[in-house]
Amino acid sequence: AQKITQTQPGMFVQEKEAVTLDCTYDTSDQSYGLFWYKQPSSGEMIFLIYQGSYDEQNATEGRYSLNFQKARKSANLVISASQLGDSAMYFCAMREPAGAGSYQLTFGKGTKLSVIP
Amino acid sequence: DSGVTQTPKHLITATGQRVTLRCSPRSGDLSVYWYQQSLDQGLQFLIHYYNGEERAKGNILERFSAQQFPDLHSELNLSSLELGDSALYFCASSVENRGPQHFGDGTRLSIL
Repeated sequence: AQKITQTQPGMFVQEKEAVTLDCTYDTSDQSYGLFWYKQPSSGEMIFLIYQGSYDEQNATEGRYSLNFQKARKSANLVISASQLGDSAMYFCAMREPAGAGSYQLTFGKGTKLSVIP
Repeated sequence: DSGVTQTPKHLITATGQRVTLRCSPRSGDLSVYWYQQSLDQGLQFLIHYYNGEERAKGNILERFSAQQFPDLHSELNLSSLELGDSALYFCASSVENRGPQHFGDGTRLSIL
């Protein structure tokens, strides 16, 4: 079963508008972390934002905010005032135990965001 | 710039060959992770090293191995290469296990 689900393979947004990228997750752990990464066409993976399961406030980093709804197991990324440079693949990831005190990131399949001028 | 350095950026080789991918983590980061990104499998965790010791293995093939050296740089060795090993290989580092992992730019491996 998929642990991270991103239901939007592709999204379009008008420049300067806000956009929400969906992410739902599945875990039975009480302590976990959720991350969003951006992958431009050049290929690098850029860390955007992190939300811990015990964090009471939604995380924000500049134009990025994470809409964390624990009961619904969703961690949607909101990008405000979209810019042309925001066009990229966006991955939601969850930190999972990997054994021996280690953790790994489990990624969703990604959402391709295209910003229209 | 994440501070994580991966070399080479591109690698083209033939089936049956062996290659070594290199990663230098961010200054101060003791953990190094390796991930593989392919079209069919997406992003998959391969292996985690912490301060020179292997800590966890994910979907890493037996033909693949890794190590982390005393200066904390890491190498991923891929042997008996097959066409299906063509992928983007990422190294990531973190200052502690639970925090964000910062990724390098990746090594794009093409098997001909």
